[in-house]
Amino acid sequence: TQLLEQSPQFLSIQEGENLTVYCNSSSVFSSLQWYRQEPGEGPVLLVTVVTGGEVKKLKRLTFQFGDARKDSSLHITAAQTGDTGLYLCAGGGGSGNTGKLIFGQGTTLQVKP
Amino acid sequence: DTGVSQDPRHKITKRGQNVTFRCDPISEHNRLYWYRQTLGQGPEFLTYFQNEAQLEKSRLLSDRFSAERPKGSFSTLEIQRTEQGDSAMYLCASSLRLAAQETQYFGPGTRLLVL
Repeated sequence: TQLLEQSPQFLSIQEGENLTVYCNSSSVFSSLQWYRQEPGEGPVLLVTVVTGGEVKKLKRLTFQFGDARKDSSLHITAAQTGDTGLYLCAGGGGSGNTGKLIFGQGTTLQVKP
Repeated sequence: DTGVSQDPRHKITKRGQNVTFRCDPISEHNRLYWYRQTLGQGPEFLTYFQNEAQLEKSRLLSDRFSAERPKGSFSTLEIQRTEQGDSAMYLCASSLRLAAQETQYFGPGTRLLVL
């Protein structure tokens, strides 16, 4: 069974601080997505990484896919209150042709002014 | 905007009642997924369709759950004889499968509360 473990589960920081969220698995994924979810809404895709060692930047967010494609990290520089939300990593590329995603349990980020 | 839409957004029902949710995917997306998300957890896969064919069902999908996508466009998810444990957010996502890569776009979800 493929599992994704996210850490930390909760993070409360002051505006301007940096933070890193980790997503780890013992399984290899062909791709890994990061989503952000607001309360009462569906997840919104932030990025997809597919190549081991890949690094992608989205403004103040930096995403990295591990060399072995088993882990990923999300780093936010100078967090803002608008970054508050639930961050989810999701692995894709299971056996067969299925595109189903395996999600981590999420990291709830609160950025205080 | 022609994103994924879901209806209703909220549903409150009594235990034992049947409920049906609808998902309208992004047009021309050939894949449609259903996930369930409970408070404080990530979404869990329930089932998915490629066009009108239901290709995979999770063991989470008990006999009380049934999903359809009759014409390969919108989909419905029905829960019969609801139980309190069915209370959750039900999310629909659609994608266009091209080669080995696909990106899933999620709808806003239907939040179900079973009393």
